[in-house]
This record gives sequence, structure tokens and C-alpha cells, in this order.
Amino acid sequence: AQKVTQAQTEISVVEKEDVTLDCVYETRDTTYYLFWYKQPPSGELVFLIRRNSFDEQNEISGRYSWNFQKSTSSFNFTITASQVVDSAVYFCALSEPGDTGFQKLVFGTGTRLLVSP
Amino acid sequence: EAGVAQSPRYKIIEKRQSVAFWCNPISGHATLYWYQQILGQGPKLLIQFQNNGVVDDSQLPKDRFSAERLKGVDSTLKIQPAKLEDSAVYLCASSQGGGWETQYFGPGTRLLVL
Repeated sequence: AQKVTQAQTEISVVEKEDVTLDCVYETRDTTYYLFWYKQPPSGELVFLIRRNSFDEQNEISGRYSWNFQKSTSSFNFTITASQVVDSAVYFCALSEPGDTGFQKLVFGTGTRLLVSP
Repeated sequence: EAGVAQSPRYKIIEKRQSVAFWCNPISGHATLYWYQQILGQGPKLLIQFQNNGVVDDSQLPKDRFSAERLKGVDSTLKIQPAKLEDSAVYLCASSQGGGWETQYFGPGTRLLVL
């Protein structure tokens, strides 16, 4: 079963538009962490946010905001007033215990965001 | 603070050849990870080290892939012999501990097997 689903394969917007990237996860654990990473064309995964399962407060960081809804198992990411530099692939990830008991990071398939001028 | 370093950045080899990738984690990070990212997919964990011990290699194709982290710092991932389907980006990441800590990634090595 897929643990992290990012249903949007690619989104295209024009600069200054707001855009929301969806992430739905599946876990049986009560304690887990959720992450968002950005992967620009250079290839490096850039950490954006980490959120634990007990903290459902929404978070805002500049033009970025995250909406965590445990009831719907979703952790959506919104970019306000998008810019060309936001063009990248965005990954949502779930951290949960692996078979060995150590934490394992499971990624979604990513959403490619294209922001045009 | 220096990030995770990886080399080489790009590698082109023919099938059945061998190849090795190197990773130096962020200073002081005990846990090191190798991921494989096939085009259009999310990264998939191959192996996880805690200091110089392996804690998870359940998804490492052990007939052809090997990895080591001898002194608990830098690490090498090897493929021998390479297959066409090994063409991917190999990402190294590190974290302070192995729990819920954030993983920080290097720039990756892009491998093309012809």
C-alpha cells in the first residue's frame, strides 16, 4: 500500500498565483513525523519543514504555509504569490518505524511545480 | 556549517562495469543514509548506518550493491556489476541521530548505465 500519495504530478502556474500541493499519507502509528522537501533542477533535496503527529497547528514561514489535518491524513503545502524560483519538484515524506525499529523516511512521488513569468 | 558532500556528481559507465560513490556527511552526524532516486520517482532508501554499523539494508540489492562506513564518518556505495536499471540519482543524507531527526541531503550522483 502506498504510504504517501501526491496525486498531482505536475502543476503549472503564473507568477504571483497561489498554489497548493497536496499530500495524503497512511500510517497505523500514533507517533510519526511528516516532512516536505524541495528538489530544484540542481538535484539536491532541500529540507522545508518537519511536523510531528501531535502538533496540528498550521505553520507559516514567509510565503510558505502548511496545513496538517489528522482527520483526513493530509499535510498540504501552500505557496503564496509564487515566484519563478519556486519551480522545482516538491516531495512529501513520512517518517515511521521500519522493520528494524529505526525510523524510515518514505517519500511520495513528488509534484513538479512550474512557475512561469 | 558544511553540508553533505558527494562525489562524483556524474558518472557514465557501461553495463557490467563497476562504480563507486563517496559521501561525507555533516560533521557530527551519527546517521548516514543512501537513497536511490529513479527518474520521476521519490527517493528510496537503500541502506542506513548508525555510526559505522548497518541498521537497515533491507532494500539493498546485495548481489550487486555494497556499502561501508568504516570509521563512522564518510561512506562508499559500490555497484558491481552495474545493470541498465541502476541508472538513477544516488543521494546521500545524514542526520544527528536515527530517530525523528531531520535528514539533510547531498547534491547526489547521477549515474547513467549504457
